Amino acid sequence: GNSVTQMEGPVTLSEEAFLTINCTYTATGYPSLFWYVQYPGEGLQLLLKATKADDKGSNKGFEATYRKETTSFHLEKGSVQVSDSAVYFCALSDAGGTSYGKLTFGQGTILTVHP
Amino acid sequence: ETGVTQSPTHLIKTRGQQVTLRCSSQSGHNTVSWYQQALGQGPQFIFQYYREEENGRGNFPPRFSGLQFPNYSSELNVNALELDDSALYLCASSSSSGRTDTQYFGPGTRLTVL
Repeated sequence: GNSVTQMEGPVTLSEEAFLTINCTYTATGYPSLFWYVQYPGEGLQLLLKATKADDKGSNKGFEATYRKETTSFHLEKGSVQVSDSAVYFCALSDAGGTSYGKLTFGQGTILTVHP
Repeated sequence: ETGVTQSPTHLIKTRGQQVTLRCSSQSGHNTVSWYQQALGQGPQFIFQYYREEENGRGNFPPRFSGLQFPNYSSELNVNALELDDSALYLCASSSSSGRTDTQYFGPGTRLTVL
């Protein structure tokens, strides 16, 4: 079946540091890949997505490239801010021969950024 | 454009009771998916509704059931509540049901079962 594995957290960084959160996946078909962010007490917000191999998703300074050869979708940001502190979820959507797409999530990575 | 809304925000029930959670989809969206997020975990897919029909289901027992209405809003019903049902329940809507369609999430309903 489908699965998503994220790097163990929590991750603690100083403001303006470089961020990488690793994400690898296993899927039976041709998945779309997503990063969602969850702020305390809130639902999930879409951060970025990529729907095919070699696509790069980007938003608010965050980037991730869909690497089919390594089954990865690592999240990066060149300079984090305190306001980026949140939980980040990697997810895939794979119809896998069915007629619908459902999201399979990783376990989440807690990011804390200090001033 | 109104986003996805859910009600209630919080709910406390006792074991064995029944609960109904509600979701209004984003304007123009005809697909609603429900997820359960236990504390410290990623969301788990419960089921999806597309144009008022159940379109797919995750590994949840039949006591988890749902409905989608002609305006594409949706309900999640859980019977015979168990302590392990305590979680954040998230609703997501999308413009269609395919794998490339982005799902937009509501703020969730926090259910506590005592």
